[in-house]
This record gives sequence, structure tokens and C-alpha cells, in this order.
Amino acid sequence: EAQVTQNPRYLITVTGKKLTVTCSQNMNHEYMSWYRQDPGLGLRQIYYSMNVEVTDKGDVPEGYKVSRKEKRNFPLILESPSPNQTSLYFCASSHGRGPTEAFFGQGTRLTVV
Amino acid sequence: AQSVAQPEDQVNVAEGNPLTVKCTYSVSGNPYLFWYVQYPNRGLQFLLKYITGDNLVKGSYGFEAEFNKSQTSFHLKKPSALVSDSALYFCAVRDYPLYGNNRLAFGKGNQVVVIP
Repeated sequence: EAQVTQNPRYLITVTGKKLTVTCSQNMNHEYMSWYRQDPGLGLRQIYYSMNVEVTDKGDVPEGYKVSRKEKRNFPLILESPSPNQTSLYFCASSHGRGPTEAFFGQGTRLTVV
Repeated sequence: AQSVAQPEDQVNVAEGNPLTVKCTYSVSGNPYLFWYVQYPNRGLQFLLKYITGDNLVKGSYGFEAEFNKSQTSFHLKKPSALVSDSALYFCAVRDYPLYGNNRLAFGKGNQVVVIP
């Protein structure tokens, strides 16, 4: 089954404690991205990757890091989480550019206290 | 840069009545337009997309959307709403031709409540 898998689904952590949210897709998609969803703001892109070892900032990259060492995986790293990073995070993947729809993971609800 | 506006926060509709969720967009080139639906505690699911051609696009679960270039709109419609259609709906746009980022720009979402 074609899918994007994120882990964990729920995470509560303390300010400053490094964490990683994993994302994996089994569709051989070149393009992957991370979004955060906040009430009234919709989804905003954090980082994206056009292919292995090619990553770049989205609209709200501050406080986040990513890596793309393998085509299927695109982890999101919060080196020093802060309460304003409390949000619902989604990983998405799609084939290259153009009119292809994106496939989304189930989401990770992160709370930073 | 591309952007999407979904002017209503919530849409209430009686079961069996027509459902419309509004979306307007802004792009510098030609748009690729998408609708996604999000059920509670779930990820976003693709409903339909407009690339080119017919202005009326049909998608999953009986939904359709009408592209109107002059009004820069892409409203989502369903002739007869079901209680199970209650969810959060997102409109998104991708600019074409593309430069760099393959970013989807999302609207803020519309909560649809179908009343039994």
C-alpha cells in the first residue's frame, strides 16, 4: 500500500530537549516536504527536498533542520524545541514537479512544555 | 508567490442539501489547483485537482470543483451533503511554470459541519 509514515504520532517534550520526527515513503517519490498546521493558519511549509542530498527552506524554517540521505526518508529535527513549536506536523511526498498531488502522513502532534 | 484564500471559517449545511466550499487563488503563472480533506486525527486526503481543460473537475466521494479563471476561483461542491462529509477542507495551489520550490500553498481551511 502506498503510504507516508510518520513517527511518533504524539509527542510531549520539554523545552530544549532535542527530538526527531521520522518520515518515510514507499512510493519512490523525489519530492518530500514538512508542513506545520496551526489553527487559522492552514499548512505552512517548513522545509522541502527535491531529491537525495537536496534540501531547502520553506516558509517557516527557523528552529528546524532536515536531512535527506536516502530517497525514502526525510526526518525533521528540532535541535532545541520551544513552546512556539507546539503544533501538528505533516510530512508529504510527491513525484517531482508539476500537477502531481502530494501524499500526506498521518501527522505528529507535538507539545513542547 | 502563490496564495490561496478560503473566506469562510465554517460552513454549516443540512444533510441532503448542496454543499459549497469557496476558494480563490493568486499565482503569477498558470495554476495547478487541489482540494484536500482532513478527518479528525487523520492526515490530509487528496480529493481532486485541476490541471487544464474542462473547468468542472470530478473527484472522490461525489465531490466536484469548478475552475473559473476570470474570478480566480476553484470552489468545491457536492450536490447532496452527507453527515460523513463533516471535516476540514483545504484548497491548495501550485504555480506553473515552476521555479525552484514545488511548494503547495494552502488556504487556512474550512470546517464543514453537516447537520442531520
